[in-house]
Amino acid sequence: GAVVSQHPSWVICKSGTSVKIECRSLDFQATTMFWYRQFPKQSLMLMATSNEGSKATYEQGVEKDKFLINHASLTLSTLTVTSAHPEDSSFYICSAPEPGRGGYTFGSGTRLTVV
Amino acid sequence: GENVEQHPSTLSVQEGDSAVIKCTYSDSASNYFPWYKQELGKGPQLIIDIRSNVGEKKDQRIAVTLNKTAKHFSLHITETQPEDSAVYFCAAGVSGGYQKVTFGIGTKLQVIP
Repeated sequence: GAVVSQHPSWVICKSGTSVKIECRSLDFQATTMFWYRQFPKQSLMLMATSNEGSKATYEQGVEKDKFLINHASLTLSTLTVTSAHPEDSSFYICSAPEPGRGGYTFGSGTRLTVV
Repeated sequence: GENVEQHPSTLSVQEGDSAVIKCTYSDSASNYFPWYKQELGKGPQLIIDIRSNVGEKKDQRIAVTLNKTAKHFSLHITETQPEDSAVYFCAAGVSGGYQKVTFGIGTKLQVIP
């Protein structure tokens, strides 16, 4: 089936630095990528939807300038957490619609810890 | 927008028993209802899904039922095994288009050996 590869699986960074998370669709073209954030013992909260070649759509309350999303190709979408702070520490997950199936496939997630 | 409610939030069962997780949704336009299993530190994995033109679907020990009139759907796991222990999420959305799904809050299932 469709596979989305997400890297890194975990990252620790210092406050004030930026971190980039990549999601690649390995065997299909992902024109759309959904980015979620998950706090411990909570559900997945949609942050934004990226579309190849156009600007991302952000959910209400999500800072566009803080969470930069780029979807420059049909197989790569990136999320950059800029000027990270400890409250940005979370589990970030990407997901893409599976072509021809109507479902969604998820990346393996990135555990971000800001110290 | 869509609102998905899921219960229970935690569920403990003895190995071999059945587990049932229930979800309700609010948007009558939703026609796609996937269930995901998430193990600690990993992304969600699709275990089964159902579309609104079907009332029930089975895959070995896992089954999902959908009552479109009442806007609720359920996950049934029979003959539970310790490896079934995980967090399970239901979701609701519109299939076919590139639209988001809305997730339930999750159910932590513990299968006691």
